[in-house]
Amino acid sequence: SQQGEEDPQALSIQEGENATMNCSYKTSINNLQWYRQNSGRGLVHLILIRSNEREKHSGRLRVTLDTSKKSSSLLITASRAADTASYFCATVRPFSGSARQLTFGSGTQLTVLP
Amino acid sequence: EPEVTQTPSHQVTQMGQEVILRCVPISNHLYFYWYRQILGQKVEFLVSFYNNEISEKSEIFDDQFSVERPDGSNFTLKIRSTKLEDSAMYFCASLYGSGTDTQYFGPGTRLTVL
Repeated sequence: SQQGEEDPQALSIQEGENATMNCSYKTSINNLQWYRQNSGRGLVHLILIRSNEREKHSGRLRVTLDTSKKSSSLLITASRAADTASYFCATVRPFSGSARQLTFGSGTQLTVLP
Repeated sequence: EPEVTQTPSHQVTQMGQEVILRCVPISNHLYFYWYRQILGQKVEFLVSFYNNEISEKSEIFDDQFSVERPDGSNFTLKIRSTKLEDSAMYFCASLYGSGTDTQYFGPGTRLTVL
């Protein structure tokens, strides 16, 4: 089954505006993580939120998690042109033991216009 | 800051040839992963490796794929007989283990099968 679907698929905003990306998932999770990927490059971990947490902050990033709706949102405040990238949510199942593999969503392409 | 490295950055091969993709995980990490991303698609889990054995593998990871940690530092992915559909970006990731679920990704190897 599909796990981790982001919306919107693409988002274009002006520098200084806030960007909000949403992620929905289907199965139970241990935690949900957000990653960033610049075009053709590797994945950079941004933030992790556990299933018993509702909100987390890191710098200009704010992540929320609603396990009853199986959804998460990533808010980037005061966006910069350098924030232009693809953003992916990824989930880890509970009781995944020594595996703990990530299941990624399809990503949101964020473009921040100067 | 320690990082995951991957070589080569780009590999071009003929269909049916064997390829070995190499990764050097972060030195004190205990869990190792391979993921792949076909152009324009989601990042997909291939295999996880812990304590010198595969802990989980996806449906994609069939008999044509194998992984090895031949020494204390390298982690390799071998594709025995490449197919056109193996063309993708392959990412290695490592995770420390106790108390954290943050995976650190390498920059990827772009595999092109002709």
